[in-house]
Amino acid sequence: GESVGLHLPTLSVQEGDNSIINCAYSNSASDYFIWYKQESGKGPQFIIDIRSNMDKRQGQRVTVLLNKTVKHLSLQIAATQPGDSAVYFCAENTDDMRFGAGTRLTVKP
Amino acid sequence: GAGVSQSPRYKVAKRGQDVALRCDPISGHVSLFWYQQALGQGPEFLTYFQNEAQLDKSGLPSDRFFAERPEGSVSTLKIQRTQQEDSAVYLCASSLAGTQETQYFGPGTRLLVL
Repeated sequence: GESVGLHLPTLSVQEGDNSIINCAYSNSASDYFIWYKQESGKGPQFIIDIRSNMDKRQGQRVTVLLNKTVKHLSLQIAATQPGDSAVYFCAENTDDMRFGAGTRLTVKP
Repeated sequence: GAGVSQSPRYKVAKRGQDVALRCDPISGHVSLFWYQQALGQGPEFLTYFQNEAQLDKSGLPSDRFFAERPEGSVSTLKIQRTQQEDSAVYLCASSLAGTQETQYFGPGTRLLVL
């Protein structure tokens, strides 16, 4: 069936490097996508969202790219910091919100 | 301002017990959502309210799960005759209006059924 998923379950980067977390989706009707960050013992925290009429959106140190042709979503984090270590989820929102399994980002000092 | 709050933060129940989990959404948020998150997994949708109306309960795993939001603000998720497979984190989220708005999550209630 339709699903949201992530390419990699874990990602380890050096402090100061850029991070790229990828996500594939299969529901071509999805028109709203969100990235969440979840730290241990906490609920998901909204990072950035993008609607299907855009292909790029920038926030503070984060950029989301949407490629509707290949149904791919990515989150780029610039100058990754230790505080960025967490699990990152992409979610697609149609009638309800569906999350991928998540990617654990570890930032090495 | 205050975010979404949930209580209790942790709950240990014996198999067969009933539990009630509470969610206080952000003031003024019309929509409220419940999710279940198993260890190492992403949240899975359970149910959705708009004000006091439960518009979607397609994600509730069995008839032992029941949610209500009688006055359109606080919501309670009740699980009857808990089973070990119910052990998970139960997350509540609220949004200003509808499913196409940003959802803000509470810290979750971690339920352990022994």
